[in-house]
Amino acid sequence: QSAVTQPRSVSGSPGQSVTISCTGTNSDVGAYDYVSWYQQLPGKAPKLIIYEASKRPSGVPDRFSASKSGNTASLTISGLQPEDEGDYYCCSYAGTYTSFVFGTGTKVTVL
Amino acid sequence: EVQLVESGGGLVQPGGSLRLTCAASGFTYSSFWMHWVRQGPGEGLVWVARTSDDGTIRKYADSVKGRFTISRDNAKNTLYLQMNSLRVEDTAVYFCVRADNYRFDFWGQGSLVTVSS
Repeated sequence: QSAVTQPRSVSGSPGQSVTISCTGTNSDVGAYDYVSWYQQLPGKAPKLIIYEASKRPSGVPDRFSASKSGNTASLTISGLQPEDEGDYYCCSYAGTYTSFVFGTGTKVTVL
Repeated sequence: EVQLVESGGGLVQPGGSLRLTCAASGFTYSSFWMHWVRQGPGEGLVWVARTSDDGTIRKYADSVKGRFTISRDNAKNTLYLQMNSLRVEDTAVYFCVRADNYRFDFWGQGSLVTVSS
């Protein structure tokens, strides 16, 4: 099971926007719209913030948005806030055999 | 309120066994697929195993296939992960996760498993 690739880190000042890429293959990200994103704050369990590539669960601020094109999905955090600092992971369904594959994770730093 | 509470983690020697338990509450447990996801120290998330809502379908990551067994008891609202032939590289926090249509919508707080001599 090959890993889905994310940048190791991104950073921005409060109020700025940052975008995290999630690059897979045509067996996972490119094959299904079942890409989800998770926010993991320090010492906490992950939290779902995006599902089916671009949908937000209720209660997630609309400054979190996402999209997918081909083998790459992207998460954008607009109007970055200090409480957004943490790790972000994408996850893609990869079929009945492989099941699910997580991205390598991206650390978001608010300067 | 959905709650997933893991237990059973601890220190075990290489080659040993451990069983994790996840107690679910606040939702109709028997209607959802359930998963285990792990996170090694300072590392990323890794999907480990999943079971269908009725427990008849079970899938595993290649790294644990043949060593780990996922199971569930819908009468007790409980999920299990039996881990045998443990290796140092299995050291991780293990999360119990509810899945709703290919998304992991609720996570437990995690249970730490340390494999060391």
